[in-house]
Amino acid sequence: SQQGEEDPQALSIQEGENATMNCSYKTSINNLQWYRQNSGRGLVHLILIRSNEREKHSGRLRVTLDTSKKSSSLLITASRAADTASYFCATDGIGDDKIIFGKGTRLHILP
Amino acid sequence: GAVVSQHPSRVICKSGTSVKIECRSLDFQATTMFWYRQFPKQSLMLMATSNEGSKATYEQGVEKDKFLINHASLTLSTLTVTSAHPEDSSFYICSARLALAGAQETQYFGPGTRLLVL
Repeated sequence: SQQGEEDPQALSIQEGENATMNCSYKTSINNLQWYRQNSGRGLVHLILIRSNEREKHSGRLRVTLDTSKKSSSLLITASRAADTASYFCATDGIGDDKIIFGKGTRLHILP
Repeated sequence: GAVVSQHPSRVICKSGTSVKIECRSLDFQATTMFWYRQFPKQSLMLMATSNEGSKATYEQGVEKDKFLINHASLTLSTLTVTSAHPEDSSFYICSARLALAGAQETQYFGPGTRLLVL
């Protein structure tokens, strides 16, 4: 089963622009994480935000979490060609040790 | 950080054969490991939870007799795709959960195994 729904499903922007991806989920969570996956490769963990946190930064990444709306956003500022990848949110529910992934957003940075 | 390895990284096999994929936690012990499957341009779908010393817990729709999971030790879980068919061709990813006393649990993902069944 999948918990998260990302939107948009695909996003193309010019290099240097900011990219925003959103994720919605259905059940109460402990944490929400964002991962990056280059085509045909494994996952790269980007950032974890706990249910009691509202915003978190890591370099060019900014993640927000709104537990009342059961949604999160990932903002990548000053995008680079190397940011081209698929981005997934993943949640682990309260009382559940499984991590469930959203459908992902395919981000393409145009040179 | 903690490292999880998978072997092999890719495998090509004939239809009807069985394929074993190993998932190892290299520098920590993992009582629980997870197996995911990812089809092209899709997300990761959880297949099963592998518990050391007990039977795996399968997600709805995943055939336990086709995808055999053995959590042989605290550092090794294996997934065997029995009688593989072309529709089983996929990217299989494992993760291992690290639980430290007094700290939040973290899952670490392996690099994945690409299976192609001809």
